[in-house]
Amino acid sequence: QVLLVQSGAEVKKPGASVNVSCKASGYTFTTFSMHWVRQAPGQRLEWMGWINPGNGNTKYSQKFQGRVTITRDTSASTAYVELSSLRSEDTAVYYCARRGTYGDYYFAYWGQGTLVTVSS
Amino acid sequence: QSALTQPASVSGSPGQSITISCTGTSSDVGNFDLVSWYRQHPGKAPKLMIYEVTKRPSGVSNRFSASKSGNTASLTISGLQAEDEAEYYCCSYAGSSTFVVFGGGTKLTVL
Repeated sequence: QVLLVQSGAEVKKPGASVNVSCKASGYTFTTFSMHWVRQAPGQRLEWMGWINPGNGNTKYSQKFQGRVTITRDTSASTAYVELSSLRSEDTAVYYCARRGTYGDYYFAYWGQGTLVTVSS
Repeated sequence: QSALTQPASVSGSPGQSITISCTGTSSDVGNFDLVSWYRQHPGKAPKLMIYEVTKRPSGVSNRFSASKSGNTASLTISGLQAEDEAEYYCCSYAGSSTFVVFGGGTKLTVL
């Protein structure tokens, strides 16, 4: 079965960067786009960007443009999101989510989430 | 980009039916048949319940159904069960530059 396993919780200081990983299994990693979605405490889900693991092409939300980088390691079936210049408002649970089998515009599988806390 | 509007909360008794609305604009919900719905229990990851407006993924109960009219999408849950108590989020494709927008979430309470 499809499984997305994310790295553990992080605590960072303002201005630092954080890198969260998402290891995929149960399917061919390069076949389906991988997205990153975050959820601040008590807030709505927020799409950050996605990567085509097959060719490495990426697309980012305008909100995060310039601060977010999504990469992948096909040999490890793992996707990564790096967010730089962290501020307190970036405190959130970060999820990786794989697109659906039949379409690009919904998220059929989700990682367990990684809590990133930004605090001085 | 604008977010989608959902009621903050809805409630129903076991066995009853409830409907959650999701209002967007002609740039998202009204322009694409690409609305999805997610259920999220506290402290857990979201789970896909509906995609492409009306389609149910394998394994999702047929108690869940959905529709769309104009700029508003709706999720209906029939035969409410205790396990349905959760937060529900709608999501819509909004074009290549925005990609997707989410609703603010609706907390469903099973009385």
